[in-house]
Amino acid sequence: DTEVTQTPKHLVMGMTNKKSLKCEQHMGHRAMYWYKQKAKKPPELMFVYSYEKLSINESVPSRFSPECPNSSLLNLHLHALQPEDSALYLCASSQRRDYEQYFGPGTRLTVT
Amino acid sequence: GENVEQHPSTLSVQEGDSAVIKCTYSDSASNYFPWYKQELGKRPQLIIDIRSNVGEKKDQRIAVTLNKTAKHFSLHITETQPEDSAVYFCAARRSNYQLIWGAGTKLIIKP
Repeated sequence: DTEVTQTPKHLVMGMTNKKSLKCEQHMGHRAMYWYKQKAKKPPELMFVYSYEKLSINESVPSRFSPECPNSSLLNLHLHALQPEDSALYLCASSQRRDYEQYFGPGTRLTVT
Repeated sequence: GENVEQHPSTLSVQEGDSAVIKCTYSDSASNYFPWYKQELGKRPQLIIDIRSNVGEKKDQRIAVTLNKTAKHFSLHITETQPEDSAVYFCAARRSNYQLIWGAGTKLIIKP
């Protein structure tokens, strides 16, 4: 398996909802990333996990909560989001942090 | 802070012609420079990358050149085809392994 997978593909949630985004890879990669991408902009780094430990948290609001249950899985828990959080959320992985990053297809999130 | 400037923001070329996209970085400690292609509604796809100990790398119709002294690197696509139409992002990796991204170039291939 040479892909990063993400679920769901699309998500619509209200500002009071709690939801989770999931990311999975079976390439044996030990670094995993969450990015946020707005239309016509480059991806913005949110979190980096290296060997299942959070190593970078780019001053992301606490309504976004990452979790790395094991080396293959990465979750992003969402709570009390704002409409401006609507975006494409991309997961990526790399063999280690100094290796190339491969992206999943993303979750298109709409906050109403 | 560290940044990466990318030009042009939009590039329109005739099918079969070459396309060149240029990026300049500010952090002299950057040592890895990937290029991603993103088609509409799709994931960014790594198409080529170069490390700071190499001046040029080629993969079929795609090549990347790096000038460390001037701190700029370029993507060259030859014999462009309609499927090359996409947004292309350059990036530079900082010493803490974080990628700093360019703003993107929308490449349009005219038939």
